[in-house]
Amino acid sequence: KAGVTQTPRYLIKTRGQQVTLSCSPISGHRSVSWYQQTPGQGLQFLFEYFSETQRNKGNFPGRFSGRQFSNSRSEMNVSTLELGDSALYLCASSPGQGDGYTFGSGTRLTVV
Amino acid sequence: SQQGEEDPQALSIQEGENATMNCSYKTSINNLQWYRQNSGRGLVHLILIRSNEREKHSGRLRVTLDTSKKSSSLLITASRAADTASYFCATSRSYNTDKLIFGTGTRLQVFP
Repeated sequence: KAGVTQTPRYLIKTRGQQVTLSCSPISGHRSVSWYQQTPGQGLQFLFEYFSETQRNKGNFPGRFSGRQFSNSRSEMNVSTLELGDSALYLCASSPGQGDGYTFGSGTRLTVV
Repeated sequence: SQQGEEDPQALSIQEGENATMNCSYKTSINNLQWYRQNSGRGLVHLILIRSNEREKHSGRLRVTLDTSKKSSSLLITASRAADTASYFCATSRSYNTDKLIFGTGTRLQVFP
């Protein structure tokens, strides 16, 4: 079966711009969660969506937002980019019961 | 911080030796999972152990869980150069959320 697809793989943006990242989950999975990975803070939970509803949210500013569509695909958006937003952004899909996770390869965002 | 702790931070061994990594966490859990990450790429799920289990095996991997001490260990037996990667533990608090709290990770280097 196809894995979790994240697009784009790499992205370079300028401070102040906004960016949208996409995640296509495994077919049949209803849950998508997002994580930010940086050398300083490690892997931090951003938010999770289940059946188009945000079920949980991490401690990130309101510049970070997301949504999930009826086909379970998810997008996350970061507005007014800051240098500190440079990170590897990972999404994971699962059936939605706290296990069975599969992670995508990530989107590496560089803010200059 | 909610983040779990792992030790050691880095581990260097020869091929054929065993590698043990430890993880401590802070809250009650539904399950604990171990992941591998190669060179900043996506996370690969290795093994999941539920809160009512004490030990689990998968191939060359052995995981133990001590909920009274809020700790887990991952043992990789007969290591290979291909096991070189970063290893993370992650905890899930409930079956109805996909929020994972990750540990700080152990960087394993296996020399041929």
